[in-house]
Parts: sequence; C-alpha cells; structure tokens
Amino acid sequence: GAVVSQHPSWVICKSGTSVKIECRSLDFQATTMFWYRQFPKQSLMLMATSNEGSKATYEQGVEKDKFLINHASLTLSTLTVTSAHPEDSSFYICSVTGGFEAFFGQGTRLTVV
Amino acid sequence: KNQVEQSPQSLIILEGKNCTLQCNYTVSPFSNLRWYKQDTGRGPVSLTIMTFSENTKSNGRYTATLDADTKQSSLHITASQLSDSASYICVVNNYGQNFVFGPGTRLSVLP
Repeated sequence: GAVVSQHPSWVICKSGTSVKIECRSLDFQATTMFWYRQFPKQSLMLMATSNEGSKATYEQGVEKDKFLINHASLTLSTLTVTSAHPEDSSFYICSVTGGFEAFFGQGTRLTVV
Repeated sequence: KNQVEQSPQSLIILEGKNCTLQCNYTVSPFSNLRWYKQDTGRGPVSLTIMTFSENTKSNGRYTATLDADTKQSSLHITASQLSDSASYICVVNNYGQNFVFGPGTRLSVLP
C-alpha cells in the first residue's frame, strides 16, 4: 500500500516567520492530497485539498493566503504556514487516498513561540 | 449535517481486559466506515474498513461491527495490551474523497 512521509516531524519557529511542511507519497502517484490540522484532544479537521497542477481547495474558514499549498508533482505536496502566530501551533497531518484506503503521514508538530 | 459521534470520550482499562468503543454517524450517502488508531503525536493508522454490506470485520485483537440500518459501529478490543493505549477514531466516507472524522475515544490501558 501507499506510504506517506511527512517532514519535518516537529518544528519550532518564531512568531512572524514561515514554515514549510512537506508531504510525500512514496510509492503511489497522488493527484490529490489532503491537509488536516489537529488541536490537542480533538479530531482531525480538513484544511484543504491539494490538487496536482492546479490550485488547492480550501475549507471554509481556512485562509488560503496564510496556508499556502503547492502540489507540483504527483508525489509531493507542501504546506507553508506564512507569518506564523502562536495560535497556529498545532499538529498538521497530510493524507493520500487510493481506492478505499486513506494513508496518513506521521504528522508535523508545529510550535510557534 | 454529516456528523460522526463517538463514545466514550475516554476510557481506562486494565491490561488483559476487553473493551468496546462506539460510533454513531449521520453521514449520507454512506460508502464505508473505518476505524483508525492514532498514537500520540503520530498519524492515524487504519485498523478496519467496512462497506455497507459488511457487518463484522476483524484485524487481530480488533473486531469492528457495522449496523448500517441504525448507523452504528463498534470496535471491540480483546485482551488489551499496554500498546493499545491510543486514540481510536471512527471515520465515515460518503463517496468521493470526503471523510468525516469522529472526535475519537482516548483509551488508556494500565498495567
């Protein structure tokens, strides 16, 4: 089955800086990848759908100018948190679907100080 | 509104004991239901996937049931181990790539 790799697994950044998170599909060509955010003791919330070669689709309430998504190839999608603030601190997870299955990355713990 | 509810919110059991987690959903149309295990600080890992026609599916010590009529599912864990301590998330797919996540049940297995 597909294996999804996320990098970095954790990052600490200063408020106002930008952070890039990578999501790679290691053995599955993914035209679509999904980005989720998870706050402590809460479930995953879909942020956006990343589409290879076209613009991402953002969920209501998610600022597209703040969370920049680039899906330049069938195996790589990136999420850039721009001008990060402490309230952006969260666990970010990407996902790839294939048939009935959904594969998740290991997640990235972002802490903005 | 498409929703997935889970109970209990958290559960503490002793090692070796069995437990059952519940999932109720209002997602429509229904394609399949999945149970995931999520260790702290990690991404979810699939345990079972059930379609409309499946009532029971097992994966080792994990057995999931599905009642599509009442829109309920359960996950039964047999002979729990310390490594079972995690959050268990019920996810319903309503075709396409739209997944509705439950809030999860946080299970703690104590020695």
